[in-house]
Amino acid sequence: NAGVTQTPKFRILKIGQSMTLQCAQDMNHNYMYWYRQDPGMGLKLIYYSVGAGITDKGEVPNGYNVSRSTTEDFPLRLELAAPSQTSVYFCASSSSEAGNTEAFFGQGTRLTVV
Amino acid sequence: DQQVKQNSPSLSVQEGRISILNCDYTNSMFDYFLWYKKYPAEGPTFLISISSIKDKNEDGRFTVFLNKSAKHLSLHIVPSQPGDSAVYFCAALVTDSWGKFQFGAGTQVVVTP
Repeated sequence: NAGVTQTPKFRILKIGQSMTLQCAQDMNHNYMYWYRQDPGMGLKLIYYSVGAGITDKGEVPNGYNVSRSTTEDFPLRLELAAPSQTSVYFCASSSSEAGNTEAFFGQGTRLTVV
Repeated sequence: DQQVKQNSPSLSVQEGRISILNCDYTNSMFDYFLWYKKYPAEGPTFLISISSIKDKNEDGRFTVFLNKSAKHLSLHIVPSQPGDSAVYFCAALVTDSWGKFQFGAGTQVVVTP
């Protein structure tokens, strides 16, 4: 039972490079999220999706893009990486069924931009 | 605008004693609250939750208390065990807001022998 799978686990990028963080879930959840966690801070919502084809911005979307072509996958794209994007990124998913409010998280991607 | 606040960045407690973690929130629309536990190099995992229609929820060694008038919730861990050493995040949710969780900054708990 894989849950939420993120790849890669670690990545070092040079300023100006781009990359895609992959996220897949096998729980048939409608809701998916991307968070970033900076040292000493809580998780900040970057983008979220309520279903395939539907995405929207969270609190800190600048510098990122997402797509949701399938229920399972929710990749996060970084264009023109900047040092301010050095962070740990977590993908999560949750069910849209009433009463199921728990979010399940992936193991995270530690990204360093140098 | 930090809507969920955990004002204690760290807590040290002796094994066998009670750990009390606190969380305050500002948005009166929040109607569901969760606690997550996070070990290093892992994602947060769900621990316990409480709906705003309740003031207490218990699951084994973990109890969450909600005081809506004070916009405050707390997590009690009794007795504390070495495996409880982790970062604990408080999260809050307006349940009809597409599941957008608001997280606190976390409290690092260290349980000493």
